[in-house]
Amino acid sequence: TQLLEQSPQFLSIQEGENLTVYCNSSSVFSSLQWYRQEPGEGPVLLVTVVTGGEVKKLKRLTFQFGDARKDSSLHITAAQPGDTGLYLCAGIATSGTYKYIFGTGTRLKVLA
Amino acid sequence: DAGITQSPRHKVTETGTPVTLRCHQTENHRYMYWYRQDPGHGLRLIHYSYGVKDTDKGEVSDGYSVSRSKTEDFLLTLESATSSQTSVYFCAIRARDTAYNEQFFGPGTRLTVL
Repeated sequence: TQLLEQSPQFLSIQEGENLTVYCNSSSVFSSLQWYRQEPGEGPVLLVTVVTGGEVKKLKRLTFQFGDARKDSSLHITAAQPGDTGLYLCAGIATSGTYKYIFGTGTRLKVLA
Repeated sequence: DAGITQSPRHKVTETGTPVTLRCHQTENHRYMYWYRQDPGHGLRLIHYSYGVKDTDKGEVSDGYSVSRSKTEDFLLTLESATSSQTSVYFCAIRARDTAYNEQFFGPGTRLTVL
């Protein structure tokens, strides 16, 4: 069974600090997606990483896919209160299907 | 916004009653999904559909059934609701115009089973 483990589960930081969230698995994924979810809403796609070693930037957010495509990280520079939310990674669970699995999430709170 | 709506948005029901949640999409996507989200468990796949009348089970399918009689609607039914099915339910689609298996989600349905 493929699993995606995220760490940390909870993170509370001050505005302006940097942080990194990790998404790890023992399985290889063809791609991984990162989502952000705010209370009372559905997850919103931030980015997809596809190639081993790939780095993508979205303003102050930097996403990296591990060389072996088993892990990914999300780094936020100079966090702002608007970054508060639940961050989820996700990938296709089984090759040849479109069944997804999600990490358990990292709940981030950025204090002003 | 992938044109996904869910109804109802909130529902309170009693143990043992049947409940049907509806997911509606307007962009002709082939793949549709039902997830539940619970604290400490993230999003878990209940069922998904890969076409009209084509469905498959996810990791937490017990106690749930689905139907898809037309492309735009995917129904999730709890035949006899239990308190353990109290959760937030999300519908999603796999976007047909992307190369990277990206999903887009509806706004969710909060279900409480008393």
